[in-house]
Amino acid sequence: EVQLVESGGGLVQPGRSMKLSCAASGFTFSNYGMAWVRQAPTKGLEWVATISYDGSSTYYRDSVKGRFTISRDNAKSTLYLQMNSLRSEDTATYYCTRIEQLSHYYVMDAWGQGASVTVSS
Amino acid sequence: DIQMTQSPASLSASLEEIVTITCQASQDIGNWLAWYQQKPGKSPQLLIYGATSLADGVPSRFSGSRSGTQYSLKISRLQVEDIGIYYCLQAYSAPWTFGGGTKLELK
Repeated sequence: EVQLVESGGGLVQPGRSMKLSCAASGFTFSNYGMAWVRQAPTKGLEWVATISYDGSSTYYRDSVKGRFTISRDNAKSTLYLQMNSLRSEDTATYYCTRIEQLSHYYVMDAWGQGASVTVSS
Repeated sequence: DIQMTQSPASLSASLEEIVTITCQASQDIGNWLAWYQQKPGKSPQLLIYGATSLADGVPSRFSGSRSGTQYSLKISRLQVEDIGIYYCLQAYSAPWTFGGGTKLELK
């Protein structure tokens, strides 16, 4: 069974940093691209960042470029999101997702339970 | 960025009713369109990928279609367990963008 388990969320002050982790199991982690998607309270879904299967390529939404870093440790089957210079608008539940290729279409086919991040003084 | 305009924002329907949700892409995205269901307090679940293909384990009452840059999700006979929020997602080009969501409730 595919499992993605996020950790590292909580309350953080504006301007500070936080690092999220996502422990993957039930599949060969090093074969898959991974992504982070967030959802602000009572709002919709927003893609944040993607990393290729080997970590050689990364992509970010404009609002987090230069502040967030997505990375992975394939030996530990773990995905990370380092978040620096946090702002109130970064307050959200952050989901770790697996990117699968189905009939050559990329989709996020597995999601973690989410990690809540609250940026507030 | 590609904009995904989803409608309606909310929808109230009766059991066994046919429900249709649409997403309009701001430019051509081919079949790079997926639909997700998010039940209250839960993570999103993949329903449809490639605009029309049913994900594993998804009931056959769900279907997806495409007409140009307009995409539709149809629930043929609404069930209680279908209540939740539905999102479309374009994965044609970065940044991947979601529609604003459709909240589906029982009438």
